[in-house]
Amino acid sequence: EAQVTQNPRYLITVTGKKLTVTCSQNMNHEYMSWYRQDPGLGLRQIYYSMNVEVTDKGDVPEGYKVSRKEKRNFPLILESPSPNQTSLYFCASRSGQGENTIYFGEGSWLTVV
Amino acid sequence: GESVGLHLPTLSVQEGDNSIINCAYSNSASDYFIWYKQESGKGPQFIIDIRSNMDKRQGQRVTVLLNKTVKHLSLQIAATQPGDSAVYFCAENNNAGNMLTFGGGTRLMVKP
Repeated sequence: EAQVTQNPRYLITVTGKKLTVTCSQNMNHEYMSWYRQDPGLGLRQIYYSMNVEVTDKGDVPEGYKVSRKEKRNFPLILESPSPNQTSLYFCASRSGQGENTIYFGEGSWLTVV
Repeated sequence: GESVGLHLPTLSVQEGDNSIINCAYSNSASDYFIWYKQESGKGPQFIIDIRSNMDKRQGQRVTVLLNKTVKHLSLQIAATQPGDSAVYFCAENNNAGNMLTFGGGTRLMVKP
């Protein structure tokens, strides 16, 4: 079954404590991306990756890092989380620029206190 | 800056009626548009897409219309059912190969 898997699904953490949200896809997709979803703002892209070792900033990259060491994994790293990073995060993937269907993970609820 | 946005934050329709959700975009370079449905507690789910060389595309009970002249996109749902209740997002993909830029979303509520 085609899947994008995120972990953890729910996390409450404290300001400044580094955390990583993992994302893995089993479809051999080239493109992967991270979004955050906030009330009234919809989905905003944080970072995206067009292939292994290729990453680019999206619309709201501040406070986040990513890495793409292998095709299937695209972790989102918050080096020093702050309360304004409390949000619902989605990882997504698709096979290539011409591929239409984008698959989303189930989301990760992150609360920073 | 350029953006994708929605006119109505909430749309309430009677079961069995047709629904129309609208979206405006401002990036004239966008060549591909998608509608997503997001149910509570879940990730966005692909509904239908359309490329900029088309005006209309039909799926099962859904139709997407694209008006490039006024940069307007709409999603029509025929015979709306309670299971259609969700938040609907339009999204655009520009020629730079980036992934999607999403609008703010419209909540569709279906009354039985």
